[in-house]
Amino acid sequence: QLQLQESGPGLVKPSETLSLNCSVSGGSSSSSRYYWGWIRQTPGRGLEWIGSIYYTGFTYYNPSLRSRVTISVDTSKNHFSLKLSSVTAADTAVYYCASQLKEYSESAAVFDYWGQGTLVTVSS
Amino acid sequence: SSELTQDPAASVALGQTVRITCQGDSLRSYYASWYQQKPGQAPVLVIYGYNKRPSGIPDRFSGSTSGDTASLTITGAQAEDEADYYCNSRDSSGKLYVFGTGTKVTVL
Repeated sequence: QLQLQESGPGLVKPSETLSLNCSVSGGSSSSSRYYWGWIRQTPGRGLEWIGSIYYTGFTYYNPSLRSRVTISVDTSKNHFSLKLSSVTAADTAVYYCASQLKEYSESAAVFDYWGQGTLVTVSS
Repeated sequence: SSELTQDPAASVALGQTVRITCQGDSLRSYYASWYQQKPGQAPVLVIYGYNKRPSGIPDRFSGSTSGDTASLTITGAQAEDEADYYCNSRDSSGKLYVFGTGTKVTVL
């Protein structure tokens, strides 16, 4: 079964860019069955979908974050990445990567495997 | 703010049945998926599509939708079912995925 693992800095300064990687094991990031998604969670805003990417590079993003988000995939390294620019304290959250079943993507986001999550704090 | 509304809390006696609801206009058009989250852990998918359960999820978990409300039912709740539960679907514009506000389930 798939295993996902987030990695990246736990502390980012305001106005800088948050960068996280998600390593995929037990499967391939070039699988046609999956999108690869990023979700974040805060006590105040709950769970928030950030965006998703297909192995072809097709992406779709939460409109509220679209201007600041870039998600990419590197199938040769079997990982995908998140960049969030111009961060503020409001971007402090636990960030999760997850595999998303493409078959159901027209309706709900079906995230069947999740990373353990990584806390990113935005502070100077 | 979420366009999927859930009751903040629910309680159920051990072995009894609890239904958790998720209300939103988008549910008239889109399926909901449901996630269980225990403290300090990532969410776990429990229901998706038309009442489908991932491998390893007990059959005491079931899902349904009527009108603008999706429901997750736990029949014969166990102590290990105590967790937060979140629904997920498209928002009313269909342009993004949203999660519900979450329901904390306590097993008494």
